Amino acid sequence: DAKTTQPNSMESNEEEPVHLPCNHSTISGTDYIHWYRQLPSQGPEYVIHGLTSNVNNRMASLAIAEDRKSSTLILHRATLRDAAVYYCILRDSGSGNTGKLIFGQGTTLQVKP
Amino acid sequence: NAGVMQNPRHLVRRRGQEARLRCSPMKGHSHVYWYRQLPEEGLKFMVYLQKENIIDESGMPKERFSAEFPKEGPSILRIQQVVRGDSAAYFCASSGIEQFFGPGTRLTVL
Repeated sequence: DAKTTQPNSMESNEEEPVHLPCNHSTISGTDYIHWYRQLPSQGPEYVIHGLTSNVNNRMASLAIAEDRKSSTLILHRATLRDAAVYYCILRDSGSGNTGKLIFGQGTTLQVKP
Repeated sequence: NAGVMQNPRHLVRRRGQEARLRCSPMKGHSHVYWYRQLPEEGLKFMVYLQKENIIDESGMPKERFSAEFPKEGPSILRIQQVVRGDSAAYFCASSGIEQFFGPGTRLTVL
């Protein structure tokens, strides 16, 4: 499974946008970019995923570079409840892939009031 | 996270005892993944099961650990003769395009 690189930690102020970067220079053509987050003492939670085009949903936006070697998760207005570890994961959609998620260390986001 | 049930939420065992962790996937889902999160570490894939079949167990320790997902009932992750190093949070997930995770079972081995 292709590897992703994320900063260990980031800080944000409440009500401000947050841009969480992820590098995945070895991404393959069949890899989808998935983002999950894990709030303290909870299981991971799906945030968003995309392949090539930018994606928006009620939780966040995903901006994918044209060469797909990097992506950015955008939280438009951070709240205290967004404080979590954010994981950027490549998930192979090719045949024979079991769909398991390979988690890295993620980015720990702190949101200051 | 709604819909994936895990029990117990907390489990305490003494060294040498057996631990049984249960996971009921979301209604209509027949695929289950188990992950382990050691203290201060990220989640690690353990095993992927469909009903009555183990599809991928590449992340399972070679000894003492087993998993099943019977035709009826929850998926069970079984750890025999637990040791202190087994203390961790164990999460299961059921899968569509995205994976829906349960709240986890926190195993403490004394």
